[in-house]
Amino acid sequence: GDSVTQMEGPVTLSEEAFLTINCTYTATGYPSLFWYVQYPGEGLQLLLKATKADDKGSNKGFEATYRKETTSFHLEKGSVQVSDSAVYFCALIGANSKLTFGKGITLSVRP
Amino acid sequence: GAGVSQSPRYKVAKRGQDVALRCDPISGHVSLFWYQQALGQGPEFLTYFQNEAQLDKSGLPSDRFFAERPEGSVSTLKIQRTQQEDSAVYLCASSPRPKAGTGSLNEQFFGPGTRLTVL
Repeated sequence: GDSVTQMEGPVTLSEEAFLTINCTYTATGYPSLFWYVQYPGEGLQLLLKATKADDKGSNKGFEATYRKETTSFHLEKGSVQVSDSAVYFCALIGANSKLTFGKGITLSVRP
Repeated sequence: GAGVSQSPRYKVAKRGQDVALRCDPISGHVSLFWYQQALGQGPEFLTYFQNEAQLDKSGLPSDRFFAERPEGSVSTLKIQRTQQEDSAVYLCASSPRPKAGTGSLNEQFFGPGTRLTVL
């Protein structure tokens, strides 16, 4: 079945540091890939998405590129802010309509 | 209000009690999903409706779990004879009718969830 693997957390960074959160996936066919974010006390929100190989999703300074050859969708941001502190989930939609999520990783950004 | 709403936000049940969790999707959204999120884990799919039809219930963990959406809008997730392992956050998401040419891909909009604690 479909699965998503995220790097182990938590991650703590200083403000303005570079962020990479790794995500790899296993799926049949050609899944669509997503990053969701959950800010403290709030619901899950879509951060960005990519629907086919080599697509780059971007939003709020975050980027992720759909790499079919490495089955990866790593999340990056050049300069994190305190307000980026949240839990980040990598996810995919495969041959059906349901989202398959990774375990999530908690990011804490220090001033 | 424009978002997905869920009630109650918090529910404490004694083991063996029945509970009902409600989801109000975004108005006009055709698809509705239920997910279960255990502590420290990502959400896991439970079931999916398109309008009033339950198209996929493969993720329901046991026959104690039952979901309905009788009029194609509000949905209720019912758990009978709750067990401690049912303790989790239950998330509801809705999405609009798929656009032509996009297949089944559509952003899912999530509610804040219901945190269920079974003692």
